[in-house]
Amino acid sequence: GNSVTQMEGPVTLSEEAFLTINCTYTATGYPSLFWYVQYPGEGLQLLLKATKADDKGSNKGFEATYRKETTSFHLEKGSVQVSDSAVYFCALTGGFKTIFGAGTRLFVKA
Amino acid sequence: NAGVTQTPKFQVLKTGQSMTLQCAQDMNHNSMYWYRQDPGMGLRLIYYSASEGTTDKGEVPNGYNVSRLNKREFSLRLESAAPSQTSVYFCASTGGGSPGEKLFFGSGTQLSVL
Repeated sequence: GNSVTQMEGPVTLSEEAFLTINCTYTATGYPSLFWYVQYPGEGLQLLLKATKADDKGSNKGFEATYRKETTSFHLEKGSVQVSDSAVYFCALTGGFKTIFGAGTRLFVKA
Repeated sequence: NAGVTQTPKFQVLKTGQSMTLQCAQDMNHNSMYWYRQDPGMGLRLIYYSASEGTTDKGEVPNGYNVSRLNKREFSLRLESAAPSQTSVYFCASTGGGSPGEKLFFGSGTQLSVL
């Protein structure tokens, strides 16, 4: 079946540091890939998405590229801010179901 | 804009009690979902309803039942709660019409089973 594996956290960075959160997937067919973000006490909200190979999703300075050859969708940001502190989830959708990774907690220190 | 509304926000049950979590969306979405979130395990799909009148099991359906009451509402029932069902529960919905559609989430229900 489909699955998503993302790097374990927590990840702790200083403000303005570079961020990478790794995500790899296993899927049949051609899934859509997503990054969701969860702030404390809230539900998940979409950060960015890509629906086919080589697509790059981007939003609020975050980027991720759908790499079919390496089955990856790594999240990057060039300069993180304290307000980026949250839990980040990689996810894929195949058919009607969305499968999530375990989540990576990010702490950004001022 | 209400989006996806879940009730209650918090609930404490004793082992063996039953309860129903309610979820409603006002976006005319076809597909609705119930997830549970546990530390270190991300979100796991309990049940989903691809369209009104249909429901299907997800990854962890044991101990739960669902009802798609109409297009707007999708409820999750615990018939006999167990401590292993202590979790945060999220309802979500999506239009369900095309690939790449995002999920819209409710704010969650924190359930403790003693």
